[in-house]
Amino acid sequence: GQQLNQSPQSMFIQEGEDVSMNCTSSSIFNTWLWYKQDPGEGPVLLIALYKAGELTSNGRLTAQFGITRKDSFLNISASIPSDVGIYFCAGYYTGTASKLTFGTGTRLQVTL
Amino acid sequence: NAGVTQTPKFRILKIGQSMTLQCTQDMNHNYMYWYRQDPGMGLKLIYYSVGAGITDKGEVPNGYNVSRSTTEDFPLRLELAAPSQTSVYFCASRLRDSSPVRADTQYFGPGTRLTVL
Repeated sequence: GQQLNQSPQSMFIQEGEDVSMNCTSSSIFNTWLWYKQDPGEGPVLLIALYKAGELTSNGRLTAQFGITRKDSFLNISASIPSDVGIYFCAGYYTGTASKLTFGTGTRLQVTL
Repeated sequence: NAGVTQTPKFRILKIGQSMTLQCTQDMNHNYMYWYRQDPGMGLKLIYYSVGAGITDKGEVPNGYNVSRSTTEDFPLRLELAAPSQTSVYFCASRLRDSSPVRADTQYFGPGTRLTVL
């Protein structure tokens, strides 16, 4: 099946630093999504991307849909302690009933 | 709206036992999904449904069954529990593609943590 490679697997950063993570796919997607999962909770959608090259922001979060349609990245600026959690990329191809393929996640920990 | 609700939150099963994980959504969503999440991994699709009476297999369907008799409910059945089915199970739902709102947004339930011993 499709695979999404997400990196880094985990990162420790200091409050106020910027964070960058990325995701690459073995196949093309029409839509890229970025989710955050807090402990004991289900994933919550952060940003959705629909077109190659698209750059979208949601507060301190910015994500881009790669030109090749096989990659995406997420940036978090000026991190704060509540940014702690696991970030997942996910993608799907139109016409597949939106069956999401998830990346393996990036665990973010923020120190004061 | 309660969104997507799942019961139970936790369950321990013995090998060979059966159980049903319940999922209900009150948003009148057409599409519903079941995922499993193993420790340190992303979510993998087990089964999905595009509407009442229609279900199809996802990436990892073996050992599971589903039914969709109503728009609201999408239960997941484990017939003969195995240790390999120890995982956290998430149900999700979304509107169909033709919706004018953001149909791509899958809303997830809080999950059911299942241990098979």
